Amino acid sequence: DVVLTQTPVSLSVTLGDQASISCRSSQSLEYSDGYTYLEWYLQKPGQSPQLLIYGVSNRFSGVPDRFIGSGSGTDFTLKISRVEPEDLGVYYCFQATHDPWTFGGGTKLELK
Amino acid sequence: EVQLVESGGGLVQPGRSMKLSCAASGFTFSNYGMAWVRQAPKKGLEWVAYISYDGGSTYYRDPVKGRFTISRDNAKSTLYLQMDSLRSEDTATYYCTTGAPFDYWGQGVMVTVSS
Repeated sequence: DVVLTQTPVSLSVTLGDQASISCRSSQSLEYSDGYTYLEWYLQKPGQSPQLLIYGVSNRFSGVPDRFIGSGSGTDFTLKISRVEPEDLGVYYCFQATHDPWTFGGGTKLELK
Repeated sequence: EVQLVESGGGLVQPGRSMKLSCAASGFTFSNYGMAWVRQAPKKGLEWVAYISYDGGSTYYRDPVKGRFTISRDNAKSTLYLQMDSLRSEDTATYYCTTGAPFDYWGQGVMVTVSS
């Protein structure tokens, strides 16, 4: 199975700071069709997860432009510029390139 | 507005069966692949199963293959997850999602497997 390793496991920030989360895959996530099925999700406390980014860098409808996804192959990053209170929670990367589909272990973003 | 509403969870003994349902509304259900994702208490997310828009293709993670069956009724805009031979490690909140990617999520339904 593809293992997605997220670092850091937890991240303490001050509101207005930039936050950066890494997701490293044990295999390349570029599919044979050239697409990279790498997504980012946020689970706020007590809520269901929500889609932020798909295809490495495409923001889902309604997601603010302070969320920026990047990367290729095996290394991916989610950057959040100017963290706001509603950004707090656990972030997960996810891959659907290889069967079985797998999630990273999660990164908890909290206030310092 | 897209809505996914799961039902059918609860407490079940090991080895028994349970069937989850997910009623969808607010979008053309028959155009979307659908999936189940679970989350054990205090743990991370785990993809469980996926079904194509027409039900013609299904995929499962290995630990549930042969025990879980994902299905859908497009006429009723409803997704199902039949879970047989349940084990304690299946204890989790089960989320119904559109997918993939998992654009929309239900509120989740808790399944507890315990004697």
